[in-house]
Amino acid sequence: SAVISQKPSRDICQRGTSLTIQCQVDSQVTMMFWYRQQPGQSLTLIATANQGSEATYESGFVIDKFPISRPNLTFSTLTVSNMSPEDSSIYLCSVRAGNTIYFGEGSWLTVV
Amino acid sequence: QKEVEQDPGPLSVPEGAIVSLNCTYSNSAFQYFMWYRQYSRKGPELLMYTYSSGNKEDGRFTAQVDKSSKYISLFIRDSQPSDSATYLCAMIREYGNKLVFGAGTILRVKS
Repeated sequence: SAVISQKPSRDICQRGTSLTIQCQVDSQVTMMFWYRQQPGQSLTLIATANQGSEATYESGFVIDKFPISRPNLTFSTLTVSNMSPEDSSIYLCSVRAGNTIYFGEGSWLTVV
Repeated sequence: QKEVEQDPGPLSVPEGAIVSLNCTYSNSAFQYFMWYRQYSRKGPELLMYTYSSGNKEDGRFTAQVDKSSKYISLFIRDSQPSDSATYLCAMIREYGNKLVFGAGTILRVKS
């Protein structure tokens, strides 16, 4: 298993600002992922965070809007840039450990 | 057609009932099947994980996978009000990394 810590757990952000979410894992993992869950919806994969190289983004998500860093095998950040109310969501860090995937508690962002 | 279909509910049952949650899928390449429980405004918590076909039991929870029918189930015995949450099925290919989720079923257990 893996224990994942995310910061912040929740925040209220002003329109047009940017916020960086941190994800720390208690063990080294190869695969780290960032998901978004909009209100009442299921989870959508934003990108795979690759250690030492640029993140791999899913269709509909771009680096300018969601820059990701992965400096080592236990840590990653996701920035939500130039936020609008449509970005109000839970943002979730997840990791693959063995043959299954674990999630952090999530970061609940409200954009006003 | 979505890759994974899951009835969103809500499903409302009395305390002590047996709950059956189900998902169907279309991609025969899926090999790993998971059930997550998610409380409001929290991250998904892994409940059960099954490889290929078969049953797996853990306490009050039983996961079943029928690959021939592309159908997976989660059974909850002696349901409790604390089981009230959204249950998400998810699956992944043998050498893949992308989880594909169902829509999630809202479960309400009434005391």
